[in-house]
Amino acid sequence: GAGVSQSPSNKVTEKGKDVELRCDPISGHTALYWYRQRLGQGLEFLIYFQGNSAPDKSGLPSDRFSAERTGESVSTLTIQRTQQEDSAVYLCASSLLAGAMGYGYTFGSGTRLTVV
Amino acid sequence: GQQLNQSPQSMFIQEGEDVSMNCTSSSIFNTWLWYKQDPGEGPVLLIALYKAGELTSNGRLTAQFGITRKDSFLNISASIPSDVGIYFCAGRSNAGGTSYGKLTFGQGTILTVHP
Repeated sequence: GAGVSQSPSNKVTEKGKDVELRCDPISGHTALYWYRQRLGQGLEFLIYFQGNSAPDKSGLPSDRFSAERTGESVSTLTIQRTQQEDSAVYLCASSLLAGAMGYGYTFGSGTRLTVV
Repeated sequence: GQQLNQSPQSMFIQEGEDVSMNCTSSSIFNTWLWYKQDPGEGPVLLIALYKAGELTSNGRLTAQFGITRKDSFLNISASIPSDVGIYFCAGRSNAGGTSYGKLTFGQGTILTVHP
């Protein structure tokens, strides 16, 4: 597609429920990134994919967080047993190739997750 | 891990004034990027810097990659109301390994421009 698409744009969930956040990267972009942005804070790295594999998942906060990518396209970030501290905007970005000079990220508009 | 310190945290200026913000790092980065985020949107790339000492302009924006590779600044000249938003610096290390593709972001500078 023309840009990075994320869905849903907003999600309100009850504490303890599981949520799935979806990211559709720009067509042809092999690298995909997930970041978390708490209110008034900077962007916190979670995980990135090169193709369908995740070379760096060091930012995932706990084992309740997982992500997968299939077909070198769509990625899903899953949060199990959500907690109130999981409330944040989850941003996805893609780029032509991870780490290559000259390839900046293009971000989606994010999913605003609120755990009540 | 790598951390970026961005300052100031917020700025309130009059339309027409110039703005300067900067980022410093405890470690070396090989690429510095500056992003702007509008409310409800993802960050948008403004300027990318790839070489120590590099000075790059994009319209009213000017950014520099510090000689030590541990800092960068962004200047905005003759500010206008649509410059309002949050500005983030970001750095990337070319050290290789599994972290090669990761950007580290600063905490952001909130810019308010009064007409």
